[in-house]
Order: sequence, then C-alpha cells, then structure tokens
Amino acid sequence: EDKVVQSPLSLVVHEGDTVTLNCSYEVTNFRSLLWYKQEKKAPTFLFMLTSSGIEKKSGRLSSILDKKELSSILNITATQTGDSAIYLCAVEGGQSNAGKSTFGDGTTLTVKP
Amino acid sequence: DARVTQTPRHKVTEMGQEVTMRCQPILGHNTVFWYRQTMMQGLELLAYFRNRAPLDDSGMPKDRFSAEMPDATLATLKIQPSEPRDSAVYFCASGLVPGTGELFFGEGSRLTVL
Repeated sequence: EDKVVQSPLSLVVHEGDTVTLNCSYEVTNFRSLLWYKQEKKAPTFLFMLTSSGIEKKSGRLSSILDKKELSSILNITATQTGDSAIYLCAVEGGQSNAGKSTFGDGTTLTVKP
Repeated sequence: DARVTQTPRHKVTEMGQEVTMRCQPILGHNTVFWYRQTMMQGLELLAYFRNRAPLDDSGMPKDRFSAEMPDATLATLKIQPSEPRDSAVYFCASGLVPGTGELFFGEGSRLTVL
C-alpha cells in the first residue's frame, strides 16, 4: 500500500522566519511528487517533482526531490501571514496506477505577525 | 475559467438518510477522484475513475458507499445509510493522464450527519 508521511504535523513561526517541511514516501512505481497548499477551501497546486536534485522555485517557495532517500522538502523563506495554510504532499503512482495520488496528512503552518 | 464544480456545498442530515454528492469535472479531464478529508484522517482517497471506468474504490466502505460516473460530465458519490462517522468534507478532483499529474479540486461538500 502506498504511503506518504509528512513532518512536522504542525508548525508555528513568526513572520520573516524560514521553514522546511518534509515529506517521505513509499510507493509502487513512483511517477511524481506534488505539493499543494490548502487554505480555507480546496487544495491548490504548487509544484510537481519528478527528477532528483532539481529544485523547483516559485517566489519564496522552493522544493526538491531526493529519490534515493524517497523524500522531498518544501522551503518557504521570509514567511508571511498569508503563508498560513495546510501544506499537502502527494505521490503519484505510475503504470496501472498512473494518475492516482496518495496524500500525506499535511503540515499545518501558522505564521504569526 | 475551467473548474471542478461540486454540489451541495453543505449538507446536514440525520443518521440513516441517503446522501448524494455530485461533481462536474473539468471538460477534457479523463481522471476523476473522490477524497474525504477529516481532522483525524487527513485526505483519504475513496475512489477514482479513468475514462469513466472505476479503477480503484478500495478506500471506500463498500456496504454503504457507492461511486459512479454516469457520463463524462458527472461523477456521483452516494452514502446509504449515512452515519455520524461519515461527517467530513468530500472533495472531487479531476486531472489528465498522461499529463502533469496536477489535480484540480472542487471546493468540497461539507457533510454533517447528526
């Protein structure tokens, strides 16, 4: 059974801090790892990672995949209160499971002014 | 602006009643998922379809839940009879396989079973 574990489960920081969120996985026929941000409603897509060691970056957010360690990190620098959300990691299986995304429980990030 | 549409947005019902949730995926997407989200369990995959055919519904309690895709524009998730432990937010998501792997989520149906 595919499994995705995120840590920490929750995190409280102050504006301006840098945070690192972790995601580890066990999945049959790994295809990709995806990060989502969930504020009040539906999760919205942040990054998709397929290759080890290649950093994806969007503004203050960046992410990298380590296929040897079966893990990924999401970094947020100079955090703002608007970064407060649940960050979800999902892993997509390949071949017969192509398109099937298994999610972790998420990391709840709270950024205080 | 293409998006996944779910109805109802909120539903309060009594234990034992039937509940039906509906989802209109993004036109052209060939894969549709039903997820359930609770504080305790996170985002759980209940079922998913590719080109309207069910691929995996192992996450769903079979005795009371059923999921169907009667046509390409409609996916349904039915609970009969409902129980208080079914209270959760139910998300529908759609995507294109092969593709980027990105899922587009609806805004969810918040179900409360009293």
